[in-house]
Amino acid sequence: GAVVSQHPSRVICKSGTSVKIECRSLDFQATTMFWYRQFPKKSLMLMATSNEGSKATYEQGVEKDKFLINHASLTLSTLTVTSAHPEDSSFYICSARAGDLTGELFFGEGSRLTVL
Amino acid sequence: GESVGLHLPTLSVQEGDNSIINCAYSNSASDYFIWYKQESGKGPQFIIDIRSNMDKRQGQRVTVLLNKTVKHLSLQIAATQPGDSAVYFCAENGGGGNTPLVFGKGTRLSVIA
Repeated sequence: GAVVSQHPSRVICKSGTSVKIECRSLDFQATTMFWYRQFPKKSLMLMATSNEGSKATYEQGVEKDKFLINHASLTLSTLTVTSAHPEDSSFYICSARAGDLTGELFFGEGSRLTVL
Repeated sequence: GESVGLHLPTLSVQEGDNSIINCAYSNSASDYFIWYKQESGKGPQFIIDIRSNMDKRQGQRVTVLLNKTVKHLSLQIAATQPGDSAVYFCAENGGGGNTPLVFGKGTRLSVIA
């Protein structure tokens, strides 16, 4: 199947700093990528839809100025958590479709963010 | 809003037995469903999918059943193995197009050796 890669897999940062997470589609092009957030023992919650060459679409309740999304190329989307706080600590997962745009979403391995 | 949910949050089965994980969905426009497996600290892994024009689909040791009448989805795992222990999520693509998946709450499957 298609491969989606995330980096870093784990990151620890101090409060007030910014952290960038990269999501790459390794063997396909993705005009759209989706960013999810997952708290411990909870399900995946959609944060935003990342659109190549245009602004991301954020879900209700997600602060766009805090979670900056950039989709500069067909294989890379980045999520930057700005001025991170401990409550931003979570598991962030990106996903994309390859080929069949109504079908399976391929997920990255996730990035675990811990804000001290 | 419409949502996808699961009947059982946890399920424990003996190794070798069959497992059945259930999911209820409410978006009548959903036409594509997926079951994902997620191991601790990892991203979701595709297990099996089904489109709304089918009511059953089989894979290797797994079967997905779709009952559109009652908006119910189930995942059956045959001869459950310790490696099947994980959290299982159902997800729906509400109506088609390049839209994000909506995930259910998840069921933790524990296999007892």
